[in-house]
Amino acid sequence: SYVLTQPPSVSVAPGKTARITCGGNDLGSKSVHWYQQKPGQAPVLVIYFDSDRPSGIPERFSGSFSGNTATLTISRVEAGDEADYFCQVWDSTSDHYVFGPGTKVTVL
Amino acid sequence: QVQLVESGGGVVQPGRSLRLSCAASRFTFSSFGMHWVRQAPGKGLEWVALISYDGSNRFYADSVKGRFTISRDNSKKTLYMEMNSLRPEDTAVYYCAKGDSGGPPSAFDIWGQGTMVSVSS
Repeated sequence: SYVLTQPPSVSVAPGKTARITCGGNDLGSKSVHWYQQKPGQAPVLVIYFDSDRPSGIPERFSGSFSGNTATLTISRVEAGDEADYFCQVWDSTSDHYVFGPGTKVTVL
Repeated sequence: QVQLVESGGGVVQPGRSLRLSCAASRFTFSSFGMHWVRQAPGKGLEWVALISYDGSNRFYADSVKGRFTISRDNSKKTLYMEMNSLRPEDTAVYYCAKGDSGGPPSAFDIWGQGTMVSVSS
């Protein structure tokens, strides 16, 4: 089955930039979506199809791709950005959606 | 605004069954694929199942295939999950989520608040 990898945690000071990576075999051939989940809340879509941003999501959130690694970048980090972030893809080989294990972002 | 509201969770013994529902409002339910996603306590997200906009295609995670059945009633704007032969490892918050198109590889753009299922003797 298809596997996505993410760093377990990222720490960042307020006002700085956080970068969360998502890796997988031949990831460049897939579309990556990103979700933010705060404690006790449902996930929220923050980036879809690699780099598109839903309405209502701040421009500080952006997505990019390089080779087999997708990156979610949060610029000018705020305390309210502290959350778990999950990447996700559709694996057409298995007809399964797959989530990464999640990255906990801590604002120092 | 666009809303999904799950119901039907609870405490159930291993081997028993449970049916979850997800009521949709303020969007054209019949035009979008719908999903169930679960999250065990303290764990990450696990995709469970997908049903296409018209119900003609269904996909399941290996962990639930043969035990869970996803269905929808477009006239009632409601998504369902019939869960049979429940196991302790099925204990989780179950979310329904709206796909942003009729089927994969769509993103999940709207999520419900979740309903808790606990499988325990």
